[in-house]
Amino acid sequence: EPEVTQTPSHQVTQMGQEVILRCVPISNHLYFYWYRQILGQKVEFLVSFYNNEISEKSEIFDDQFSVERPDGSNFTLKIRSTKLEDSAMYFCASSEVPLGSLYTEAFFGQGTRLTVV
Amino acid sequence: AQTVTQSQPEMSVQEAETVTLSCTYDTSESDYYLFWYKQPPSRQMILVIRQEAYKQQNATENRFSVNFQKAAKSFSLKISDSQLGDAAMYFCAYRTINDMRFGAGTRLTVKP
Repeated sequence: EPEVTQTPSHQVTQMGQEVILRCVPISNHLYFYWYRQILGQKVEFLVSFYNNEISEKSEIFDDQFSVERPDGSNFTLKIRSTKLEDSAMYFCASSEVPLGSLYTEAFFGQGTRLTVV
Repeated sequence: AQTVTQSQPEMSVQEAETVTLSCTYDTSESDYYLFWYKQPPSRQMILVIRQEAYKQQNATENRFSVNFQKAAKSFSLKISDSQLGDAAMYFCAYRTINDMRFGAGTRLTVKP
């Protein structure tokens, strides 16, 4: 069964450093998402991406964040200068192109736990 | 912006009993999807059930069913014959083409 894969599973970084979280969406999916979940808290939407551009982003997704689809398979989230409060679980998700009004569910990766020290 | 509200941070159910998790949402859209995701201790988000807003019939998936009240913007999840493996965080989610938002989650405990 196809799945979304994320690497690494756990990343520890020093405050102020740049990190890149990597995701390989399901191959025929064209909508991509990043979510953040601070430990024990709600799942927060960060950004959606379609046709090589950001479709929508939340207020959390400030200038420190960027996303990229550098090739045909990877979808990355970059945090330029990490802060302690960026420590969280980051989930990547992908979904198919909707047909008419048929929106499918998003399939999630297993997440990357980012720890900023 | 769309909001999703889960008013029950924690719920508890006896094994084999039935439990209902509440979810309300706020939207001005007419076309959207609603989902319930389960997040076990492994942390992966697993789709439990989905409901298309244009369908009046409530979705059912084995022991899981929803009560979708579109006018009231309510989307509750009923788990019948609860099992120990149902213990997890449950997130209600609302989706349009570019956006998918989650509620704060309900932690479900299943007592043997």
